Amino acid sequence: QVQLVESGGGVVQPGTSLRLSCAASGFTFSSHGMHWVRQTPGKGLEWVAVIWYDGSNKYYADSVKGRFTISRDNSKNTLYLQMNSLRDEDTAIYYCARGRLYFDLWGRGTLVTVSS
Amino acid sequence: EIVMTQSPATLSVSPGERATLSCRASQSISSNLAWYQQKPGQAPRLLIYGASTRATGIPARISGSGSGTEFTLTISSLQSEDFAVYYCQQYNNWPPWTFGQGTKVEIK
Repeated sequence: QVQLVESGGGVVQPGTSLRLSCAASGFTFSSHGMHWVRQTPGKGLEWVAVIWYDGSNKYYADSVKGRFTISRDNSKNTLYLQMNSLRDEDTAIYYCARGRLYFDLWGRGTLVTVSS
Repeated sequence: EIVMTQSPATLSVSPGERATLSCRASQSISSNLAWYQQKPGQAPRLLIYGASTRATGIPARISGSGSGTEFTLTISSLQSEDFAVYYCQQYNNWPPWTFGQGTKVEIK
């Protein structure tokens, strides 16, 4: 079954860290670029980060640059998002999504709540 | 950064009627536009890419058109499963990849 499954979300305090994972199955993970996209009620969908199929290129939204790191382990078919120095405004549902230009497969998302 | 603007915010339509959703880009994006559908509690689903190419499994009643800065998503005869929120997304100038704020299609 072709799917993406996120995990690692939770409730954390501002200034702390969290690592999200996205497990891929049913397709050749190492052939696809992968993104993280987040969604908040107030701001809709916001692109967060992308990593090329081989990890050779990574790009970040200005809002997370310097705090978040995207990575992947193609031997484990898993995508990661390391989130440091979390802020209230990082509260959102985080989705991983497959694709380089547009997103043809999405996970169900994992909720990250940053609150003191 | 390219800003995507969708209109209207909410569209009230009766089942069987046509729905027309608009998406405008702040500068030309050629045909590098995708549309997604999102239902409550679910992840977005790709409907259209390349402004007019339907993704796998998307019914023919859903179509996309436009190029440059003006784009349209049309649902020719609304079915119950079509009531959802729809987002457009540009991939002409990146990073960042940018989305519109969404149009909610609700039952009239």
